[in-house]
Amino acid sequence: EVQLVETGGGLVQPGRSLKLSCVASGFTFNNYWMSWTRQAPGKGLEWVASITNSGGSTYYPDSVKGRFTISRDNAQNTLYLQMNSLRSEDTATYYCTRGTEGHFDYWGQGVMVTVSS
Amino acid sequence: DIQMTQSPASLSASLEEIVTITCQASQDIGNWLSWYQQKPGKSPQLLIYGATSLADGVPSRFSGSRSGTQYSLKISRLQVEDIGIYYCLQAYSAPLTFGSGTKLEIK
Repeated sequence: EVQLVETGGGLVQPGRSLKLSCVASGFTFNNYWMSWTRQAPGKGLEWVASITNSGGSTYYPDSVKGRFTISRDNAQNTLYLQMNSLRSEDTATYYCTRGTEGHFDYWGQGVMVTVSS
Repeated sequence: DIQMTQSPASLSASLEEIVTITCQASQDIGNWLSWYQQKPGKSPQLLIYGATSLADGVPSRFSGSRSGTQYSLKISRLQVEDIGIYYCLQAYSAPLTFGSGTKLEIK
C-alpha cells in the first residue's frame, strides 16, 4: 500500500524557516517524481515544487522560487521541503504527492504550516 | 503561465442526476489534464488522468472528455458520496496550475 506521511509543520514567525519531511512507503521511491502542493485555509490547490526521481532537477512557481527548496533522500525514501523567509501567505496545509506522467496519483494526509507573529 | 478556467464554481444537483464540470485551458495542453476530488476534511484524490483515463478504484460513473482546449468531468448518476470539491490540473508546462475548484452539493 502506498503511503506518504508528512511531518514538520507548525507555527512559525514571519521571516523564519521551517523544513517539512515526507516519508514514502509501499513503492519504489526512486522511480517517481515527487511534488509538494499546498492549500491555504478555505482556498484552492496550489502547486509548490517538483523534483525528478534522481533529484537532479527541481521546479518551482514564482511565488516560492528562491525561498523554498525541494530535495530528496532516495536511500531514506524521504522527500523534503525547506521553506525560508516565510510569509503569512505561505500559511497552508502542505501535501506530499507522488507524480506519474503528469498527474498526482497519491497524496499524503497533509501537514499544517501557520506563519504568524 | 497557463490559466485553467473552471466552471461552475458551485453546483447543486439531485441524486442520480448527470453532472458536468468543465475546465478551459488558456492554450493547448494536449492530454496533460487530470481531475481530483476532495471530500470534506480529506486530501484530494485522483479521479481522471490523461484527460480521459479513469484512475484505479474510481467508479465508472466518472468520466473525462476533451474538446480542443476544453476539458470536462462527467458524473453520470450522482451519489451522496460524490459531494466535495473538484479540481482540474494542467501538467503540460510549469508552473503546474489547478482550476479554482467546483463545490458539488446534493440538492
